[in-house]
Amino acid sequence: GENVEQHPSTLSVQEGDSAVIKCTYSDSASNYFPWYKQELGKRPQLIIDIRSNVGEKKDQRIAVTLNKTAKHFSLHITETQPEDSAVYFCAEDYGNNRLAFGKGNQVVVIP
Amino acid sequence: DAGITQSPRYKITETGRQVTLMCHQTWSHSYMFWYRQDLGHGLRLIYYSAAADITDKGEVPDGYVVSRSKTENFPLTLESATRSQTSVYFCASGTGGIGYTFGSGTRLTVV
Repeated sequence: GENVEQHPSTLSVQEGDSAVIKCTYSDSASNYFPWYKQELGKRPQLIIDIRSNVGEKKDQRIAVTLNKTAKHFSLHITETQPEDSAVYFCAEDYGNNRLAFGKGNQVVVIP
Repeated sequence: DAGITQSPRYKITETGRQVTLMCHQTWSHSYMFWYRQDLGHGLRLIYYSAAADITDKGEVPDGYVVSRSKTENFPLTLESATRSQTSVYFCASGTGGIGYTFGSGTRLTVV
């Protein structure tokens, strides 16, 4: 099945602090987990992804961690900046390249 | 990304009318997808296609029809539009095994 939950729904952080968004999934067969960022009025854009054979992946200020046993994965943003304000979606590949998305987290970076 | 384009960007139609949303990609990606985005529901898969002439239903296919006679095009048709189909529609494409790229979206209003 495909059921992805994201927490918290809204996250406010001071500029320069870190933000963490957690997602849980139900399909133990899933092996690919991307994160998308969507700015207001724009398309979702892939920012980072992770496969099930890797526990952590970093790209500059963002990182993703995966715990397959607990079936959750998290997005970490360090040294947040105003341009990080957006809605972030996690997703899981549930077969045939189909992605099931969470409902999104609104991240607000306060200058 | 200029490689995947949707048209029109905005559309207002009346209940009961047929409307077609267009999606065109220039990468020769094998996979193409249609998602709808609604507040509180995130992104939900309507239909997807693994290759030309191969299409399959997603999570919310009722009221929609797709075709894929050419690899680069994946039109979505609302056979008889209803108010519940008012939404933002995103087309996406990918090669399989990795996150895909979304188009700019079509904002459809059914009155």
